[in-house]
Amino acid sequence: GAVVSQHPSWVICKSGTSVKIECRSLDFQATTMFWYRQFPKQSLMLMATSNEGSKATYEQGVEKDKFLINHASLTLSTLTVTSAHPEDSSFYICSATPTDNTGELFFGEGSRLTVL
Amino acid sequence: TQLLEQSPQFLSIQEGENLTVYCNSSSVFSSLQWYRQEPGEGPVLLVTVVTGGEVKKLKRLTFQFGDARKDSSLHITAAQPGDTGLYLCAGATAGSYQLTFGKGTKLSVIP
Repeated sequence: GAVVSQHPSWVICKSGTSVKIECRSLDFQATTMFWYRQFPKQSLMLMATSNEGSKATYEQGVEKDKFLINHASLTLSTLTVTSAHPEDSSFYICSATPTDNTGELFFGEGSRLTVL
Repeated sequence: TQLLEQSPQFLSIQEGENLTVYCNSSSVFSSLQWYRQEPGEGPVLLVTVVTGGEVKKLKRLTFQFGDARKDSSLHITAAQPGDTGLYLCAGATAGSYQLTFGKGTKLSVIP
């Protein structure tokens, strides 16, 4: 089946630094990727929709200057958490849908961010 | 805003018991997906249902899509410890790849 890979799986950083998380579709092209945030024991909350070659669409309440999304190619989207603070600590998950498919989403393994 | 109400939120049962998880909405979805998520990992798709009244079986798991495509259920027969995990339902609307997620059901199957 289709594979979506996230990197890094775990990251610990100091408060005030920026962290970049990559989401790659390994065996298909994805025009659209999605970024989610998940707090412990809770469901996924959609943060933004990432479209290749254009600006991301952010959900209400998500700061676009805080969570920078770049979708520079059909196989890579990145999420950069800028000036991270402890409250940004969370599990970040991406998903991607193949360009030639009709709706199936494939999820990455997730990235655990801990801000000290 | 479309909402998916998932219940129960937590479920702890003995091995061998049956259980049902429900996903309800006032909105119509073009398709509904069920995922299972292990701690520290991304969700893994179990099934997609697209037709009202559709029933799909995956070994001991039975998924049903409501006739009006507003609700769905997941039934597990003779639960095993390996079924432990977070089960998420997610609905999609026609023409969009975005999913609306339920809050999830944390299932624990005790040996």
